[in-house]
Amino acid sequence: SAVISQKPSRDICQRGTSLTIQCQVDSQVTMMFWYRQQPGQSLTLIATANQGSEATYESGFVIDKFPISRPNLTFSTLTVSNMSPEDSSIYLCSVESSWLAGYTFGSGTRLTVV
Amino acid sequence: AQSVTQPDIHITVSEGASLELRCNYSYGATPYLFWYVQSPGQGLQLLLKYFSGDTLVQGIKGFEAEFKRSQSSFNLRKPSVHWSDAAEYFCAVGGTASKLTFGTGTRLQVTL
Repeated sequence: SAVISQKPSRDICQRGTSLTIQCQVDSQVTMMFWYRQQPGQSLTLIATANQGSEATYESGFVIDKFPISRPNLTFSTLTVSNMSPEDSSIYLCSVESSWLAGYTFGSGTRLTVV
Repeated sequence: AQSVTQPDIHITVSEGASLELRCNYSYGATPYLFWYVQSPGQGLQLLLKYFSGDTLVQGIKGFEAEFKRSQSSFNLRKPSVHWSDAAEYFCAVGGTASKLTFGTGTRLQVTL
């Protein structure tokens, strides 16, 4: 299955600033997914990123707040913009390694906004 | 719309005892079902998955799950729990090349 390198692993940021999270995959994948896990909660999909097209956002998430880039088949970034304490969460990227392997997740970025 | 229900928020078992974590799903087609485990401060690790075929699926760390279409369930089991199994367990449903929908998770505590 695919191996995902996600960074940073954690960060503490001031409100009003932005943070960009990177995910690098060791193989080419068509779709990359970005999830948010709020404290003590389950995972919620933010958006799906395909190479060469605009990301598709889930209800409640907008591009101005969470812009995504997907410049090639092995890399994607998620930016959390104009942060507030409510954005404090773990952010995870995921790919479908293959039909047999299922979905692989990055190790996550633990974001704290102060 | 797809959804997953994990009715048990928190379960405590003694080390060596058997374990069953419940998962019920709603999905409009043949579901792809997954169980993931998340240890504190860690990412998600795939325990097992069901796509088709044998409804009893074997996973890593001695876990297994049984797909029951008639009950829309995919319960996770382990015959003998180890202290290192203490973690958060998530059931998820989806399809190939599509998003996963996760349940709210079950936190497993293991007493010695």
